Amino acid sequence: AQKITQTQPGMFVQEKEAVTLDCTYDTSDPSYGLFWYKQPSSGEMIFLIYQGSYDQQNATEGRYSLNFQKARKSANLVISASQLGDSAMYFCAMRNHYTGRRALTFGSGTRLQVQP
Amino acid sequence: KAGVTQTPRYLIKTRGQQVTLSCSPISGHRSVSWYQQTPGQGLQFLFEYFSETQRNKGNFPGRFSGRQFSNSRSEMNVSTLELGDSALYLCASSLGDSPDGTQYFGPGTRLLVL
Repeated sequence: AQKITQTQPGMFVQEKEAVTLDCTYDTSDPSYGLFWYKQPSSGEMIFLIYQGSYDQQNATEGRYSLNFQKARKSANLVISASQLGDSAMYFCAMRNHYTGRRALTFGSGTRLQVQP
Repeated sequence: KAGVTQTPRYLIKTRGQQVTLSCSPISGHRSVSWYQQTPGQGLQFLFEYFSETQRNKGNFPGRFSGRQFSNSRSEMNVSTLELGDSALYLCASSLGDSPDGTQYFGPGTRLLVL
């Protein structure tokens, strides 16, 4: 079975500073994808960044980067230059690449609060 | 391009009733998945549809059902509602059948069962 663990229920960061949100995963499948989503209080899940298990380089999307350490089974999200609008829940998710097990499995989330 | 839309956005029902939620995927997307989000259980997968066929189903009772139409729009139905069905129901669409396809979510339907 696959599992995502996010050990930080809540995080605080000062505006303009960088913050790392932790995510570890467990799967027996050799091919999988890792995703990060942001969920503001409105409820909509906003896609941030994707990392494939065979990607050689860490993914980056603007202020978001993913620190992927395959041997340690971790996929931490780094947000640089935090903004007040970054305050939200952040979810790490995994999707295996084999038919029948392609549903997203989510972690429990980390609530990030950016302080002015 | 318009995003994933879900209707209704809010719904209040009583125990024993049934409810139908609707999801329109991003134009051109053929895969639709449904998730339930509750404070206690977090985000849990319900079903996945591709080209009108259910490809995958989560661990939910038979009261939860879904379908997908030829235009890729999807509906999910919950019969004999229970208090524990109160949740945010999220629909997500992806372009095709690729296993690494990103799922884009709608705003969700908040269901309250009294």
